[in-house]
Amino acid sequence: DTEVTQTPKHLVMGMTNKKSLKCEQHMGHRAMYWYKQKAKKPPELMFVYSYEKLSINESVPSRFSPECPNSSLLNLHLHALQPEDSALYLCASSQDRAAGELFFGEGSRLTVL
Amino acid sequence: GESVGLHLPTLSVQEGDNSIINCAYSNSASDYFIWYKQESGKGPQFIIDIRSNMDKRQGQRVTVLLNKTVKHLSLQIAATQPGDSAVYFCAENIRTALIFGKGTTLSVSS
Repeated sequence: DTEVTQTPKHLVMGMTNKKSLKCEQHMGHRAMYWYKQKAKKPPELMFVYSYEKLSINESVPSRFSPECPNSSLLNLHLHALQPEDSALYLCASSQDRAAGELFFGEGSRLTVL
Repeated sequence: GESVGLHLPTLSVQEGDNSIINCAYSNSASDYFIWYKQESGKGPQFIIDIRSNMDKRQGQRVTVLLNKTVKHLSLQIAATQPGDSAVYFCAENIRTALIFGKGTTLSVSS
């Protein structure tokens, strides 16, 4: 199994809603990542988890809250988002932080109304 | 700001031609680089990687060249096919996190 699975594929939410994006991998990888991608732009790193501990937070606003319940799962909790947060949110994993190749999921497309 | 960028936002080629996609990076301490392909509606897919102790690496129909003197990376695709149409990103390993450059959209016409 070489997949990173993200759910939901599409999400529409209002600015007062609370929702979560979920990511799962069963490759035994110990590093997991959240990236944000706006249309026609490169993915931008948000968070890095290594061995279930947050190791990098790229100055992401607190309305985005990551969680890594175990080595296979990564969540991104969303609360009080703004319309400009609408984007494709990509989850990725790698064997560990020092291993270069990241395996990406298909992304969750978020629209904030 | 971004430390990895691409020279051209778009590249159009004919089927069967060879394609060359370029990338410049600014962080001389970067020691690992990856090329990703992203098709519409999908996540990035790994194409090929190279470490800074190499200057060339070949895969199936793809070659990556690294010139550390001028901090330049290129991806060569041989006999380009319509299925190669996508956005191509180079990415650089900084602080053991992958940072992406701007991307080049490759369009292949038959």
